[in-house]
Amino acid sequence: GPKVLQIPSHQIIDMGQMVTLNCDPVSNHLYFYWYKQILGQQMEFLVNFYNGKVMEKSKLFKDQFSVERPDGSYFTLKIQPTALEDSAVYFCASRRDNAETLYFGSGTRLTVL
Amino acid sequence: GDSVTQMQGQVTLSEDDFLFINCTYSTTWYPTLFWYVQYPGEGPQLLLKVTTANNKGISRGFEATYDKRTTSFHLQKASVQESDSAVYYCVLGPAGAKLTFGGGTRLTVRP
Repeated sequence: GPKVLQIPSHQIIDMGQMVTLNCDPVSNHLYFYWYKQILGQQMEFLVNFYNGKVMEKSKLFKDQFSVERPDGSYFTLKIQPTALEDSAVYFCASRRDNAETLYFGSGTRLTVL
Repeated sequence: GDSVTQMQGQVTLSEDDFLFINCTYSTTWYPTLFWYVQYPGEGPQLLLKVTTANNKGISRGFEATYDKRTTSFHLQKASVQESDSAVYYCVLGPAGAKLTFGGGTRLTVRP
C-alpha cells in the first residue's frame, strides 16, 4: 500500500537545540499532518497543512513549532528551541484530496536531553 | 470539542477467543468512525471505517458498527490469532478533517 517515509527514525538532541523532522508523504497526497505520541500515551493531533498553509493546529503546536513543504520536497516539522517535554514519537500522515484515509509513517522518536 | 474514550486499556486473550472492544465518542458533527491498528515499531494503519450508523465495516475478519443512539462504536472478531496482537485505536473523524484518537487498547493474544 501507500507508504509515508519518515527520516530519521531516531533523533537525540540537547535541550535548546533546533531539530527538523522530515516526512516524505505519499506522492499524490495533498493534505499533511503531524501527530505526537508520548510513550504509553495516546496519539495527539498537532497540525494539518494544505496548499502551503496551516489549516488547523492544536494547543500542543507551540510557538516553537513550525511546518513547511517547499515544492516537491519533504514535509517538515521544526522545533526551535526544543524542550524536555518535546520528547516523544512524532508521526507524519498524509491523505489524498477528498479521501478520508490517513496514511501514517513509522514515526521519528525524538529524545531531548 | 471532539473526544473518544476507550475504557479497555489492555485485553489479553488466547488464540481462537472472541474479541470485543468498545469505545464511546462525542462530536457535534456527523461522524465517520475508524479502527486503526498499530504494530510495534510502526505507525497506525487503517483497519476499517464506518461512515453510516448501524452499517457494518468488515476487514480481515474484524467487524465494527456504530450506534448513534448510544454514541458507541465496537470492534469484534470471532477468533483471534497471535498475529492480531497490537494496539487498536478507536478514531473519530469528520470527513476531510483531523482524526481524534482514543487512548488505545493493547491486545495480547497468547498462543
